[in-house]
Amino acid sequence: DVKVTQSSRYLVKRTGEKVFLECVQDMDHENMFWYRQDPGLGLRLIYFSYDVKMKEKGDIPEGYSVSREKKERFSLILESASTNQTSMYLCASRLGNSGNTIYFGEGSWLTVV
Amino acid sequence: AQSVTQLGSHVSVSEGALVLLRCNYSSSVPPYLFWYVQYPNQGLQLLLKYTTGATLVKGINGFEAEFKKSETSFHLTKPSAHMSDAAEYFCAVSDADTNAGKSTFGDGTTLTVKP
Repeated sequence: DVKVTQSSRYLVKRTGEKVFLECVQDMDHENMFWYRQDPGLGLRLIYFSYDVKMKEKGDIPEGYSVSREKKERFSLILESASTNQTSMYLCASRLGNSGNTIYFGEGSWLTVV
Repeated sequence: AQSVTQLGSHVSVSEGALVLLRCNYSSSVPPYLFWYVQYPNQGLQLLLKYTTGATLVKGINGFEAEFKKSETSFHLTKPSAHMSDAAEYFCAVSDADTNAGKSTFGDGTTLTVKP
C-alpha cells in the first residue's frame, strides 16, 4: 500500500513564527502536492512538484513556499504564520499522469494564535 | 481551465435509501473524473475513477458513477445507504492531455445517514 506520512497531526504556532510541515511518501511517486482544506471551500491546491527541485504554484500560493530536495519528501513552509492560515493541510502524491490515483496523508491541523 | 461543481453541500438519507451525490464538471479537453471519500480525521481515499472506456464505473463499498459527456456530469450513486457511508465526498477532475497536471476538487458534499 502507498503510504503518505505527514509528520505532525496537530500543531499550534504563534503569529509570525516560521512553520514547517513535512511529508514523506514511500512509493517513488514523481508528483507531490500540498492542499489546504477549509469548511465549505473544499481542497485548494497550494503548490505541487513534479520532480525533485521542481515546483509549480497552485491556486493559493501566497504566504507559502515549498521544498523538494529528495523525491520522497515534500515540505510546506509558512514563512511568517498568520491567523488566516489556520487550517487543515493535506499532502498527497501521485505516480505519473493525471489519470492516476492521488494518495493522501492523514492531514496536519495547524492553529495559528 | 477545469472546474467542478458539487450540488448540495449536505445530503441526508435514511439507512437503506438511495444515495445520489451530484457532480458537474467543466473541462476544455477530455477529462479524467474521480470521486474521493474522507472519513472524520482522515485524509481522502479513492472511491472510483473514470479515465477511458466504459462510462459506468464501479468503485469500492458498492458505489458507482456514470460519466455523461452530454450533461458534463459524473454523479455518484449507491442503491442502499449504510451507516458507515457517513462521510464527506469530493468530486475531482483532471485534464487527460497533461502528464504532470493537477486535479481540481469540488467543495465537497457531507453525507449523513439516519438510522
